Amino acid sequence: AQSVTQLGSHVSVSEGALVLLRCNYSSSVPPYLFWYVQYPNQGLQLLLKYTTGATLVKGINGFEAEFKKSETSFHLTKPSAHMSDAAEYFCAVSDRQHHPSGSRLTFGEGTQLTVNP
Amino acid sequence: DARVTQTPRHKVTEMGQEVTMRCQPILGHNTVFWYRQTMMQGLELLAYFRNRAPLDDSGMPKDRFSAEMPDATLATLKIQPSEPRDSAVYFCASVRASGFQETQYFGPGTRLLVL
Repeated sequence: AQSVTQLGSHVSVSEGALVLLRCNYSSSVPPYLFWYVQYPNQGLQLLLKYTTGATLVKGINGFEAEFKKSETSFHLTKPSAHMSDAAEYFCAVSDRQHHPSGSRLTFGEGTQLTVNP
Repeated sequence: DARVTQTPRHKVTEMGQEVTMRCQPILGHNTVFWYRQTMMQGLELLAYFRNRAPLDDSGMPKDRFSAEMPDATLATLKIQPSEPRDSAVYFCASVRASGFQETQYFGPGTRLLVL
């Protein structure tokens, strides 16, 4: 079965510093991977996704993630944090093995990002 | 700007009462998901539908929860009777499943408090 592990439930960075949110996955088939962001009192919003092709994926708000099959990782990065990046971030993997038509996702437990002035 | 809508946004009720949450998926989306989010359990998938038919509701407590899609523009999640442990934020998400990995679009959620 597919699973996702997000390392660190809370990450704190200074404004302007590098953001690195870690995600490792387990999948018996080539995975489709996602990062979603949740701002306070809102639903989840897609940041970026990897399906096939280029392993470095660029998303909205300056975020990017790199799919590394050898490390089973899909870490999210942003070179310079902004105060508005404070939110909860979820990594997710598509359950392609049991739902080959896609769509169903397994989410990680989330990482709360705090940005300090 | 197409988006998923959910009503009500907030609900406070007493234990034992029936709660109905509604979701309007994005027009043209054929798959609808119901999630529950709590501090303790994180984001859990309760059930999902494709073309209005339930595909999987194994994440849902069957004795008190029920989910339906009366038509393509409305999905409902009911809890009867409600219990304090049902207090959570309930999200609906929709996607146009086409055999490729389409994006799930989430609604703003219904924040439920059962006293």
